[in-house]
Amino acid sequence: GDSVTQMEGPVTLSEEAFLTINCTYTATGYPSLFWYVQYPGEGLQLLLKATKADDKGSNKGFEATYRKETTSFHLEKGSVQVSDSAVYFCALLSSGGSYIPTFGRGTSLIVHP
Amino acid sequence: EAQVTQNPRYLITVTGKKLTVTCSQNMNHEYMSWYRQDPGLGLRQIYYSMNVEVTDKGDVPEGYKVSRKEKRNFPLILESPSPNQTSLYFCASRRTGASNQPQHFGDGTRLSIL
Repeated sequence: GDSVTQMEGPVTLSEEAFLTINCTYTATGYPSLFWYVQYPGEGLQLLLKATKADDKGSNKGFEATYRKETTSFHLEKGSVQVSDSAVYFCALLSSGGSYIPTFGRGTSLIVHP
Repeated sequence: EAQVTQNPRYLITVTGKKLTVTCSQNMNHEYMSWYRQDPGLGLRQIYYSMNVEVTDKGDVPEGYKVSRKEKRNFPLILESPSPNQTSLYFCASRRTGASNQPQHFGDGTRLSIL
């Protein structure tokens, strides 16, 4: 079945540091890939997505590139802010007809001033 | 404004006392689902619904019921809650028909079962 593996957290960074959160997946066919963000006390919200190989999703300074050859969708940001502190979830949705998304376990990011 | 609305946001109750968490979406989405979020376990799907009157079990359905009588509503029912159901619950919805449609989540319901 489909699966998503994210790096364990928490990831602790100083403000303005470079961020990478790794995400790899296993899926049949050609899934769509998503990053969701969960700020404290809130629900998940879509951060960015990519729907085919080599697509780059971007939003709020975050980027992720759909790498089919390595089955990865790593999240990056060049300079994090304290306000980026949140839990980040990688997810996929298979194109094979199943509309049930698969989520990673989430990675907590803590950014210190 | 497009949104998924859950109620209540917080609830403390006792073992065995039936409770219902409501979920409503205003986006005419076909697909709705319930998740629970626990530390170290991420999001686990409880039940989902592909459309009105169509529901199916997710990964952790034991102890829960759902119904989908109308497209916009998808209540989660705990007939006889137990302490191991203490958790943070999220309702979500999405449009079906294409795999590139993201889910929209509610703000969560924190349940404490004593």
